Amino acid sequence: AQSVAQPEDQVNVAEGNPLTVKCTYSVSGNPYLFWYVQYPNRGLQFLLKYITGDNLVKGSYGFEAEFNKSQTSFHLKKPSALVSDSALYFCAVRAPSGNTPLVFGKGTRLSVIA
Amino acid sequence: GAVVSQHPSRVICKSGTSVKIECRSLDFQATTMFWYRQFPKQSLMLMATSNEGSKATYEQGVEKDKFLINHASLTLSTLTVTSAHPEDSSFYICSAIDRNSGNTIYFGEGSWLTVV
Repeated sequence: AQSVAQPEDQVNVAEGNPLTVKCTYSVSGNPYLFWYVQYPNRGLQFLLKYITGDNLVKGSYGFEAEFNKSQTSFHLKKPSALVSDSALYFCAVRAPSGNTPLVFGKGTRLSVIA
Repeated sequence: GAVVSQHPSRVICKSGTSVKIECRSLDFQATTMFWYRQFPKQSLMLMATSNEGSKATYEQGVEKDKFLINHASLTLSTLTVTSAHPEDSSFYICSAIDRNSGNTIYFGEGSWLTVV
């Protein structure tokens, strides 16, 4: 069975500083990994995904994530945080085959302080 | 990215009535859609997998007779909450697989259901 862990409920960062939102995964075989962002009372917006290839994946709004197989991690990063980045971030994994759904972490709330 | 439209965004219904939520893939065909439920400040809980032209697959603990899912076309899946109760009040989100973008899953904007 696949699972995702987001160890931090809340991450606070000052505007302009780099941010990291952590994610570790557990899956048999090669994982498909995703990051989504959710603003209040809204659906989820796709940020980026790792399927194969380069371990560093670049996504929307300046976000990137690094796939680390040895540490089974897929941390989300951004070099310079904006106040508008404040939202709920979900890491997710799905099996590489078939019409399988995403399995989500519990989410991490990011607060960027001006 | 691809667009998934969900309607209505908010609905209030009386206990005992039924309410239908629609999920449409606007610019791609989706043979598979997923329905999630999200409680405040919690993660998304998968309710069921909706496959076009066949019966939905429900997760353990989800009542299939209460949460009716129909996926009659390649662009539309509906979730009907039957005989709604206040405890069904929640945020319901659908998602769809876009095979044209490497099987990325896109989400609708969600539907707030309040049962009074």
